[in-house]
Amino acid sequence: AQTVTQSQPEMSVQEAETVTLSCTYDTSESDYYLFWYKQPPSRQMILVIRQEAYKQQNATENRFSVNFQKAAKSFSLKISDSQLGDAAMYFCAYSPYSNRDDKIIFGKGTRLHILP
Amino acid sequence: DTEVTQTPKHLVMGMTNKKSLKCEQHMGHRAMYWYKQKAKKPPELMFVYSYEKLSINESVPSRFSPECPNSSLLNLHLHALQPEDSALYLCASSPLGTGEETQYFGPGTRLLVL
Repeated sequence: AQTVTQSQPEMSVQEAETVTLSCTYDTSESDYYLFWYKQPPSRQMILVIRQEAYKQQNATENRFSVNFQKAAKSFSLKISDSQLGDAAMYFCAYSPYSNRDDKIIFGKGTRLHILP
Repeated sequence: DTEVTQTPKHLVMGMTNKKSLKCEQHMGHRAMYWYKQKAKKPPELMFVYSYEKLSINESVPSRFSPECPNSSLLNLHLHALQPEDSALYLCASSPLGTGEETQYFGPGTRLLVL
């Protein structure tokens, strides 16, 4: 069975600094998707970034980038130039590659605090 | 446009009430999902509809009854709920047949059962 592990329940970073959130996963599949979702206190779950496992290039979205290490089954999220609006719960998630309505497997989340 | 809308935003109901939650998307997605989320926890999958048919039911109690009237709309009918059912209920949708397994979430309905 696939699992997703986020080992950091909470993290804090100074505004304008860089922070990295860790995520590891376990799967026997070779093709899959990985995601980082952000859930601010308003509670809307927002997709931050997506990585296809068959792509070697790390995904980037503005200040958000990932370090995808397929062999190590690691998928960390780096947030550069942290802003107060980045304060949220961040969930790492896994989905198998298919055309079906497969489940997303979520990690337990990392709560990120931004210090002014 | 990656918008999923949910109504109402907040709902308070007694244990004998019947209420419904509504979810709508106009992205042409053919998979729609209901999740339950407790505070500080990840979402827990409840139901999945594919092409308007129920494809996954995660052993959810029968007091929760999903309905998918058409490809854009998903309802969750609530009856005789318990206080422990108080939670944030999230709806999501994703495309099918494209190989893109990305779920887009609505803002949720915060439910309080008294």
